Amino acid sequence: NAGVTQTPKFQVLKTGQSMTLQCAQDMNHNSMYWYRQDPGMGLRLIYYSASEGTTDKGEVPNGYNVSRLNKREFSLRLESAAPSQTSVYFCASYIERGTYEQYFGPGTRLTVT
Amino acid sequence: AQSVTQLGSHVSVSEGALVLLRCNYSSSVPPYLFWYVQYPNQGLQLLLKYTSAATLVKGINGFEAEFKKSETSFHLTKPSAHMSDAAEYFCAVSPPYSSASKIIFGSGTRLSIRP
Repeated sequence: NAGVTQTPKFQVLKTGQSMTLQCAQDMNHNSMYWYRQDPGMGLRLIYYSASEGTTDKGEVPNGYNVSRLNKREFSLRLESAAPSQTSVYFCASYIERGTYEQYFGPGTRLTVT
Repeated sequence: AQSVTQLGSHVSVSEGALVLLRCNYSSSVPPYLFWYVQYPNQGLQLLLKYTSAATLVKGINGFEAEFKKSETSFHLTKPSAHMSDAAEYFCAVSPPYSSASKIIFGSGTRLSIRP
């Protein structure tokens, strides 16, 4: 049971390049989330998926797209990277009932130059 | 609307001393409250949560937090700090019975432990 996994761990992009961050969970959770973490700002929600086949915008969606490929996988795409997207990105899954617990991946540290 | 404020972006205590990390919230409904810990280069891990049961909540690694409605606070404490407690701690608030899309995170408090 690996929990939530993310690839890659580190990435450096030039302005204008594109890339996809991958996330997978093996806990059979319905909902999955992408956050970005910036110094002094906590975590901000980019996009989320309440269930397979649905996605919704969070607090800071501009410049990103997502795909909920199946129940396990939720990817985040930067179509044209900008220096403002330099951040640490976390994927998470969530138990919506009962325990209401959120499980986070180890993060992807992205630098855009 | 909900919000959460963590007082002090950096707290430093001596090994063996009391740890107190402060969190105040604002919510129009009785909230759920969470504390997460983030060790260097890792993701967030749930430390403890309040979901309207007992107001004193015990978590992992000897941490506990008390929900005080009159003070709108949910401060995190540990009686005796250990070097391994050095990490960043996040307080979070959400409406009850809701999606994680409603969770609001504080800006974090970095805890340092002096030998």
